[in-house]
Amino acid sequence: EPEVTQTPSHQVTQMGQEVILRCVPISNHLYFYWYRQILGQKVEFLVSFYNNEISEKSEIFDDQFSVERPDGSNFTLKIRSTKLEDSAMYFCATAPPGALTDTQYFGPGTRLTVL
Amino acid sequence: EDQVTQSPEALRLQEGESSSLNCSYTVSGLRGLFWYRQDPGKGPEFLFTLYSAGEEKEKERLKATLTKKESFLHITAPKPEDSATYLCAVQVFMFSGGYNKLIFGAGTRLAVHP
Repeated sequence: EPEVTQTPSHQVTQMGQEVILRCVPISNHLYFYWYRQILGQKVEFLVSFYNNEISEKSEIFDDQFSVERPDGSNFTLKIRSTKLEDSAMYFCATAPPGALTDTQYFGPGTRLTVL
Repeated sequence: EDQVTQSPEALRLQEGESSSLNCSYTVSGLRGLFWYRQDPGKGPEFLFTLYSAGEEKEKERLKATLTKKESFLHITAPKPEDSATYLCAVQVFMFSGGYNKLIFGAGTRLAVHP
């Protein structure tokens, strides 16, 4: 069964450094999302992406964050100048075209630790 | 403001002891309600989508139901491998269309003991 994959599984970085989290969507999916989950808290929406542009973003998704699909397969989340409070699990989710668009399939996540 | 509340926060069951998890929601316009299972340190795993009041979906020992204000996830004769956090999420209608975010509840941590 096709799955969303994410790399790395765990990223440790120093405060102020830039990180790039990578996601490989399921092959025929067209809608892409990033969510994060701070330890012990709810899963929170960050951004949605379709047709090579952002369709919606949350208040969390400020100028520190950016997304792109650089090569038509990978979907990346870049966090510039990381802060301690960026430490969380980051999940990529993707959804297929057509009638099943509503259902989002999640990757295993990247655990980001900012020291 | 759109909100999703799940109860209980945690539930401990004996193997074979059936129970229900609750997800209540307050949203401007429900497009769909989703149940996911999340194991520790893993991503949410899709279980069900419900769209309209009265709808029911089943998968093995799980059955999800939907009313106009809440959804229930019924677990019949659970086994230890059903232990996980069960997440409820809603999508709301957007006038602008768009590709709708999920709004999650905090989840119910289920532990099934032999």
